[in-house]
Amino acid sequence: DAGVTQSPTHLIKTRGQHVTLRCSPISGHKSVSWYQQVLGQGPQFIFQYYEKEERGRGNFPDRFSARQFPNYSSELNVNALLLGDSALYLCASSLVSVSSYEQYFGPGTRLTVT
Amino acid sequence: AQSVTQPDIHITVSEGASLELRCNYSYGATPYLFWYVQSPGQGLQLLLKYFSGDTLVQGIKGFEAEFKRSQSSFNLRKPSVHWSDAAEYFCAVGASREYGNKLVFGAGTILRVKS
Repeated sequence: DAGVTQSPTHLIKTRGQHVTLRCSPISGHKSVSWYQQVLGQGPQFIFQYYEKEERGRGNFPDRFSARQFPNYSSELNVNALLLGDSALYLCASSLVSVSSYEQYFGPGTRLTVT
Repeated sequence: AQSVTQPDIHITVSEGASLELRCNYSYGATPYLFWYVQSPGQGLQLLLKYFSGDTLVQGIKGFEAEFKRSQSSFNLRKPSVHWSDAAEYFCAVGASREYGNKLVFGAGTILRVKS
């Protein structure tokens, strides 16, 4: 069975630009979460979506937004990119939103902002 | 607030030697605890989890972890390390529902294996 997939694998953007990252969850998983992993640190929670609704949000500015589609795939959008947004962005899927913390991660999208 | 501390940034062990990676958490209720492994440039792979019950949990690749409530710890162990175990290891705790279904991660421990 296919795991969590993310696209693109790598991305280079310039400060001030906008970026969209995509994620497809494991088949049957309805919840998608996004994490940011800066080099040398553990992943930090950005968003969790379930049934197309935002169920949780981490301490990130409004430049970060996301959505979930009817097929449970998800997009993460970041506006007005800053150098500090350079990171590995990880998507994770899980079976049920409120009772399952067991999350399965994709390979990530490496974003470099210059 | 929930937090996870991994005291060791780097650990080096010889191939065939035993391994213990330390993890301490701060959480008011019964925690959901996880260990993940990350190879360079890769995503996170779930090694094992603790939800309830037996405090010694078995995972993949020969890893195990023991939950000790009195010490707020969830240390990862392996009796005999293989060169392929070299990677970064993250401990995580499942946070409370009001914040959504999120995981709070430690800063990670980089494991080096010497032959």
